[in-house]
Amino acid sequence: NAGVTQTPKFQVLKTGQSMTLQCAQDMNHNSMYWYRQDPGMGLRLIYYSASEGTTDKGEVPNGYNVSRLNKREFSLRLESAAPSQTSVYFCASSASTGTNEKLFFGSGTQLSVL
Amino acid sequence: DAKTTQPNSMESNEEEPVHLPCNHSTISGTDYIHWYRQLPSQGPEYVIHGLTSNVNNRMASLAIAEDRKSSTLILHRATLRDAAVYYCILRDVGTGANSKLTFGKGITLSVRP
Repeated sequence: NAGVTQTPKFQVLKTGQSMTLQCAQDMNHNSMYWYRQDPGMGLRLIYYSASEGTTDKGEVPNGYNVSRLNKREFSLRLESAAPSQTSVYFCASSASTGTNEKLFFGSGTQLSVL
Repeated sequence: DAKTTQPNSMESNEEEPVHLPCNHSTISGTDYIHWYRQLPSQGPEYVIHGLTSNVNNRMASLAIAEDRKSSTLILHRATLRDAAVYYCILRDVGTGANSKLTFGKGITLSVRP
């Protein structure tokens, strides 16, 4: 079972470059999420999609855009990367956004912005 | 948002039980208590969750105080593989039907052989 798949696993960008982080889940989940984790910190929610066709801002959305391409895929785009966006990015999914639901996480993308 | 408070770190011996505490004094009546853990260089993984009653699964047990202002994650026999950061999280009900998980720094569990 693949679960939640993120690509790429590692990426180095120069300041000002753009890139898109890809995420796909094969569990037929309705809800998907993007988190970032800085060294020694917990995860912070960037954006989430409660269902196909909807997206909402999380705690730290500035500098990011998202696209819920279809039910399986949820991408995160950095239009003009900044060193402050150096972090590990995790995608997650759940059956719904109900308080009783559990999240399944991908293995992460380590992004460095020079 | 209701917040949780956890110690920064704990140590345990292999094959002994581990009790990981979490305080959540501002919990609301509809907040579920979730526990996730993050092994080194991996994404978080679900451990257990509950509302009012104690819960057991193959990974752990969750003991919830009667007033729900605190809870304890119990690993019955710690193994080296249980060394991880453990997050105690209250599921926050947002606008409408939306809700999200808000992670704190968690508690780092070290397991001694």
